[in-house]
Amino acid sequence: NAGVTQTPKFQVLKTGQSMTLQCAQDMNHNSMYWYRQDPGMGLRLIYYSASEGTTDKGEVPNGYNVSRLNKREFSLRLESAAPSQTSVYFCASRTGGNSPLHFGNGTRLTVT
Amino acid sequence: GQQVMQIPQYQHVQEGEDFTTYCNSSTTLSNIQWYKQRPGGHPVFLIQLVKSGEVKKQKRLTFQFGEAKKNSSLHITATQTTDVGTYFCAGRGSQGNLIFGKGTKLSVKP
Repeated sequence: NAGVTQTPKFQVLKTGQSMTLQCAQDMNHNSMYWYRQDPGMGLRLIYYSASEGTTDKGEVPNGYNVSRLNKREFSLRLESAAPSQTSVYFCASRTGGNSPLHFGNGTRLTVT
Repeated sequence: GQQVMQIPQYQHVQEGEDFTTYCNSSTTLSNIQWYKQRPGGHPVFLIQLVKSGEVKKQKRLTFQFGEAKKNSSLHITATQTTDVGTYFCAGRGSQGNLIFGKGTKLSVKP
């Protein structure tokens, strides 16, 4: 099993450009998450989807949108990228309840 | 809002020395999870603690959950270079989502 797969691995954008980060999991997990990781800031939740068909804002949702396309896929969209969105983005999934998070390998995004 | 504080932010040790990272919450946690992130990698789940006062061991790693379920610690005995990385605690918030501490970055000098 591949687990949680994120694409792309690296991306450079210019301010104002848009892009979508893709995430797919093959573990039949119900819940999926998008985190961003910045130096000294730990992991901050952007958006999550507790189950297929639902999405909710996390701690830092401004400037982002998400789509839970189906049970497997959860995408994160930046409509108009800003330098403050330069970060490493991690997608994660879990079965539910108190189950642990399974993370993808991350996307390193730079906005110039 | 609910916060999970983790200290220290950085720890540099000589190989063979012990290491401890501490996690404190402003509110009672239903459970706490610990993750390890190797340099350039992604967080990987280590363990979950649920019961008040719980202690769990994984080889040289000892995890504790406080009696009041507001704090937790991870202790590594006799560190090795393979222990290098950032250790995160994560407690469950009021919405049910995990709130991560900022992590403790461990470096080990051989």
